[in-house]
Amino acid sequence: QQQVKQSPQSLIVQKGGISIINCAYENTAFDYFPWYQQFPGKGPALLIAIRPDVSEKKEGRFTISFNKSAKQFSLHIMDSQPGDSATYFCAATYNDYKLSFGAGTTVTVRA
Amino acid sequence: GAVVSQHPSWVICKSGTSVKIECRSLDFQATTMFWYRQFPKQSLMLMATSNEGSKATYEQGVEKDKFLINHASLTLSTLTVTSAHPEDSSFYICSASPSGVYEQYFGPGTRLTVT
Repeated sequence: QQQVKQSPQSLIVQKGGISIINCAYENTAFDYFPWYQQFPGKGPALLIAIRPDVSEKKEGRFTISFNKSAKQFSLHIMDSQPGDSATYFCAATYNDYKLSFGAGTTVTVRA
Repeated sequence: GAVVSQHPSWVICKSGTSVKIECRSLDFQATTMFWYRQFPKQSLMLMATSNEGSKATYEQGVEKDKFLINHASLTLSTLTVTSAHPEDSSFYICSASPSGVYEQYFGPGTRLTVT
């Protein structure tokens, strides 16, 4: 049973467009929400992370929006580039440091 | 900073043999390391939590006698797949956290193929 639900399973976006990935959670004890980017055959790389006391965090073209009352958070990739084509995982954890991962979203950016 | 390495990157072994995978934090000390398994086009599945100087904690359904974990130092954890069988073929990934912080940094993964 996944504690973090992620959607969509995959998406295709044109170069320069915006990719949006959504995640929802139930466990209100979660207090750290990272996003990871994974290329085929590689380990996940930490992309950006947020705490629930912040509603938005931006790093370059990547933005996390966080809605604590709705228990939802999302990743926006602005000005998507072909090099952004990868699988993205949302995750959540609390004081045991164990990450609960979403199912993953495969993003394809068409040139 | 925050680099995690794994060795080997890929390994092929015969059924019934054992394989050891190393996970090292190169530029930080990690009291806790994690081992994951990932099947093609699926998410990461946590296998066990490895704490330096103590026994690993295994997730439900993971055979601790088959997947032996040793966290001998603050920079090294090993996963040994004992008596490997074809169904153990998978992508094994470790992660490590600097002490006292949430951020987990992942290794590049090890592709295990059991023939």
